[in-house]
Amino acid sequence: QSALTQPASVSGSPGQSITISCAGSSADIGGYNYVSWYQQHPGEAPKLMIYDVTNRPSGVSNRFSGSKSGNTASLTISGLQAEDEADYYCSSYTGSSTLLFGGGTKLTVL
Amino acid sequence: EVQLLESGGGLVQPGGSLRLSCAASGFTFRNYAMTWVRQVPGKRLEWVSAISSTGDNTYSADSVKGRFTISRDNSRNTLYLQLNSLRAEDTAVFYCAKARCSDCYTKFDSWGQGTLVTVSS
Repeated sequence: QSALTQPASVSGSPGQSITISCAGSSADIGGYNYVSWYQQHPGEAPKLMIYDVTNRPSGVSNRFSGSKSGNTASLTISGLQAEDEADYYCSSYTGSSTLLFGGGTKLTVL
Repeated sequence: EVQLLESGGGLVQPGGSLRLSCAASGFTFRNYAMTWVRQVPGKRLEWVSAISSTGDNTYSADSVKGRFTISRDNSRNTLYLQLNSLRAEDTAVFYCAKARCSDCYTKFDSWGQGTLVTVSS
C-alpha cells in the first residue's frame, strides 16, 4: 500500500464541524493505535495536531479531535475557523516497521 | 524554543549524491528520535527514514533502502541524511522532524522548514 486514503477535499462554513477520514487496512490503522494528524498551511512545515489516535499536543485547540473505528481513522474539527483552512495529512505505523502517510485533504472554510 | 535547520539541498544529476544536515537546538537532542520526511511540491508527505535517540536503531522506507542512510551526531546536535544513487523521482523538499520519544517514529512534534533537493540533468 503506497498511501492511506483520504478525501481530496472537504469544506465547511465557519462555526460548523467537519470530519476528515483516513482509510487504511488491518496492517496499519486497524492493527495499531499509532495514527497521527498533521496540519500544513501553504509554504509552511507540517504541524502535529493529533497523535496516538486521540491525543492532542499541548497548544493545539480542543476543537481538534481524533478517533478510530476498525481500519479507518478520523479527524474532527468543530467550530470551524478561517485559520483552519489548510491541508491535513494522516499517518499510521505499519506492520512492516514503516510509516505511511495519507494522500492529504484540502480543507476549505467557506 | 525548538529549532530545526536543514541544509545541504541543491541540484544534483541522476546517479549523484548529497548529504543533508539538520542542526537542532532548543531541546536535549540526544533524548529524542529524529526523522526525515519528504514532499514533492504540491504533493503528499512521504516518510523517508528515522533514527533512535542513541543512533542504535534506524528505519527506512522501502523506496530508499540501500540508497539513503540516516545518521546523527549527538555531540554536534545534528541529524544527517546521506542520499546516494539519486533519481528524478527523489526530487522533493526534505524535512527533518523531532519525534516525541526516544525510539519512535510515529509522531513528530517539531519540524524544520525543509531543504529542496532537485535531481535533474
